[in-house]
Amino acid sequence: DSGVTQTPKHLITATGQRVTLRCSPRSGDLSVYWYQQSLDQGLQFLIQYYNGEERAKGNILERFSAQQFPDLHSELNLSSLELGDSALYFCASSATGRRNEKLFFGSGTQLSVL
Amino acid sequence: AQSVAQPEDQVNVAEGNPLTVKCTYSVSGNPYLFWYVQYPNRGLQFLLKYITGDNLVKGSYGFEAEFNKSQTSFHLKKPSALVSDSALYFCAVSALSSGGYQKVTFGTGTKLQVIP
Repeated sequence: DSGVTQTPKHLITATGQRVTLRCSPRSGDLSVYWYQQSLDQGLQFLIQYYNGEERAKGNILERFSAQQFPDLHSELNLSSLELGDSALYFCASSATGRRNEKLFFGSGTQLSVL
Repeated sequence: AQSVAQPEDQVNVAEGNPLTVKCTYSVSGNPYLFWYVQYPNRGLQFLLKYITGDNLVKGSYGFEAEFNKSQTSFHLKKPSALVSDSALYFCAVSALSSGGYQKVTFGTGTKLQVIP
């Protein structure tokens, strides 16, 4: 068990809808990362937060947004969903976001857009 | 920009034989390199990392990786493969983003199949 909790584990929705994915980082970790894993794109970095503030952005669509709350949990909001958004979304955390730190991953949220 | 390449989508090896999963990287400055493993329906798990020092890094489950600066490679190795090693393996490089913060880039992953 990595200590990173993601909910829900599975999410099935329709095109055009909006969903929220939730992540609780490992106890004490200040930095949270979101990744999207799909068969054709591999593991794509979306966004990183540190202690409530956005630190780095990757290939995140404008329809997607995220935030980290004062209790350090994070939410990834996906709107105007398209079939191509179907993927496994991972949250990861690290202590302070330094380069030498390993990431602890949650089990992911499997999103299916029908 | 940083990048990681894993040239093999899949590696097949017989149980008991040595295994190698290849990774090459591109990054400005000193590389911080990682290997992660993903078992079915699970998140990624950390195996080992290279920051500095000895070019041969030892990690979990008997895995090791060899850092080669001249070839910009960081290949994952294990002397004797187990069926339970069958999984998806990711190489990653950690660098500083334009804002000065950590940015981790993963390779596309290599599926390791250990044949009994």
